Amino acid sequence: QSALTQPASVSGSPGQSITISCTGTSSDVGGYNYVSWYQQHPGKAPKLMIYGVNSRPSGVPDRFSGSKSGNTASLTISGLQAEDEADYYCSSYTSSSKWVFGGGTKLTVL
Amino acid sequence: QLQLQESGPGLVKSSETLSLTCTVSGGSISNSYYYWGWIRQPPGKGLEWIGSIYYSGSSYSNPSLKSRVTISEDTSKNQFSLRLSSVTAADTAVYYCASQSDATRDFSYWGQGTLVTVSS
Repeated sequence: QSALTQPASVSGSPGQSITISCTGTSSDVGGYNYVSWYQQHPGKAPKLMIYGVNSRPSGVPDRFSGSKSGNTASLTISGLQAEDEADYYCSSYTSSSKWVFGGGTKLTVL
Repeated sequence: QLQLQESGPGLVKSSETLSLTCTVSGGSISNSYYYWGWIRQPPGKGLEWIGSIYYSGSSYSNPSLKSRVTISEDTSKNQFSLRLSSVTAADTAVYYCASQSDATRDFSYWGQGTLVTVSS
């Protein structure tokens, strides 16, 4: 199984919106509504931000939203804040109880 | 709320077997419809799913690592473990354990991670 494809980096100014894409295949992203997104600050463990394509765990601000179209999932952060600067990873369930991650995207808040 | 904690040697010699344990608190690993997973992150690189064990005891692993990975559980200690054989420098990474709900198939709760260095 190949890693999902994410842009290496994105940037935005405070208050703006950014979108991070995550492209897979019909065997993972396109085949299941089990796409999740994780935020990772330096030296910390990843934190679940979005699950089931577009659901937020309790405590995650509604500035974070997810969507999917075909084999590509997206994470949108609106009203960008300085503390949103981090690495973001997507993940998808594939078949037969297997999972795959994206390569990660570094978000810089200008 | 679930809490997970990895433990094990921080240094492993090349060609030997890496062994890590994840201790779970705040819930039972025997809970129905949960997976318990291992993920690693080489220094400066991205996340890689290593494998998971289902509450029933069935285990699954990344095809790229499959022949070297063994995941097991000890329900009496509420722990699950990872063994990775024939390690090389490429296996140097921070290793995380995480809980996975069968309903949502995500990695809900994570341990803090433990750095394992493979030395020659």
